[in-house]
Amino acid sequence: EADIYQTPRYLVIGTGKKITLECSQTMGHDKMYWYQQDPGMELHLIHYSYGVNSTEKGDLSSESTVSRIRTEHFPLTLESARPSHTSQYLCASSGSGANVLTFGAGSRLTVL
Amino acid sequence: GENVEQHPSTLSVQEGDSAVIKCTYSDSASNYFPWYKQELGKGPQLIIDIRSNVGEKKDQRIAVTLNKTAKHFSLHITETQPEDSAVYFCAASRIWGSGDKLTFGTGTRLAVRP
Repeated sequence: EADIYQTPRYLVIGTGKKITLECSQTMGHDKMYWYQQDPGMELHLIHYSYGVNSTEKGDLSSESTVSRIRTEHFPLTLESARPSHTSQYLCASSGSGANVLTFGAGSRLTVL
Repeated sequence: GENVEQHPSTLSVQEGDSAVIKCTYSDSASNYFPWYKQELGKGPQLIIDIRSNVGEKKDQRIAVTLNKTAKHFSLHITETQPEDSAVYFCAASRIWGSGDKLTFGTGTRLAVRP
């Protein structure tokens, strides 16, 4: 059973629209992550958080932003979507002191 | 920072044969090496991991080996079945401290032919 939930699973929007991808986990994990997965399979870390009010940029530069107001919630926002943002976005979480990631099923974004 | 290379990028095997995926890493301080399996339409899921104080770990049909001197580790799947078809990712990190974020390999797409 997945304890980390992502919505929407699929989203098709026009250029310039603002979108928010939701990610929630019920495991009480301190650490949460956003990965961008391109069609070539590679996973690129774009944001992470080690707890409430903590957010850091990952290895891959992204125009998206994140917030961590509650432990269980880690939404990702794009203020003005562009076709270059078309990708699969995966959210993950891990407990404190552990590197074991639990991934959500992903949100596939298509920007026309 | 850490850099993880993974080979091959695609692998096709006959059902019942073995599959081997290899990874190398660059940071000698890395001491945690997990493997994730991503099935179609799902997020990656941890299938096995190994820490640097262990050279080999086995769980039923899957095993991982680690060579710290050479900085490489491998995933071995024996008696492959169609449900093993998926994308596999290796990763490396330090267990504690500022280097505890996982660095993933580029993935291997495994196809098991019935």
